[in-house]
Amino acid sequence: SVLTQPPSTSGTPGQRVTISCSGSSSNIGSKSVNWYQQLPGTAPKLLIYSDDERPSGVPDRFSGSKSGASASLAISGLQSEDEADYYCAAWDDSLKGVLFGGGTKLTVL
Amino acid sequence: EVQLVESGGGLVQPGGSLRLSCTASGFTFNNYEFNWVRQAPGKGLEWVAHISTDYSTRYYIDSVKGRFTISRSNSKNSLYLQMNSLSAEDTAVYYCVRALSCCYAGFDFWGLGTLVTVSS
Repeated sequence: SVLTQPPSTSGTPGQRVTISCSGSSSNIGSKSVNWYQQLPGTAPKLLIYSDDERPSGVPDRFSGSKSGASASLAISGLQSEDEADYYCAAWDDSLKGVLFGGGTKLTVL
Repeated sequence: EVQLVESGGGLVQPGGSLRLSCTASGFTFNNYEFNWVRQAPGKGLEWVAHISTDYSTRYYIDSVKGRFTISRSNSKNSLYLQMNSLSAEDTAVYYCVRALSCCYAGFDFWGLGTLVTVSS
């Protein structure tokens, strides 16, 4: 993937974890970043849009940020139900298409 | 309640064709842009195609250009994906997704998906 995420990360309940997403000037550097959560066996769910906005119903434990061509998703007060795959996504002006990161599997220990 | 329901998936032989449909309800369909996103078994998400509200703009991932066609019927509240010359690499769950107006890659509602299996 042109958007690079760590394949996995882990944390203990109550901890704060961050997931990074690295891109380039043609995507994250100039376009908004969106984050998705995919629980096992289910369709993805929008967690963060437009870099740092939360859709209604998403807990404020989830937050997004962006700096230059990199973005991050932070999850605070980690809970067991946060165990899922997380994907970043952004439009790419060069490819004229949407890019997804490779996904990060979050394990709650 | 917003609902997106995909149909049309199934088993098809390499080189064959399939037409996916997505029926929408619970919102004003023609106000939104739509996309198809797929996920191969055990793999990550891959965007496939995008269509604008008025059908005028369509984008595709390079690997499906010339083989897949995205279309919509605003009168039927439906989105389609015509898939031709299918290969094993197209095997995936295909999701119909609604896009936020703010962001091309902001997909606020997803269908449950329909499985396409390309195999002899």
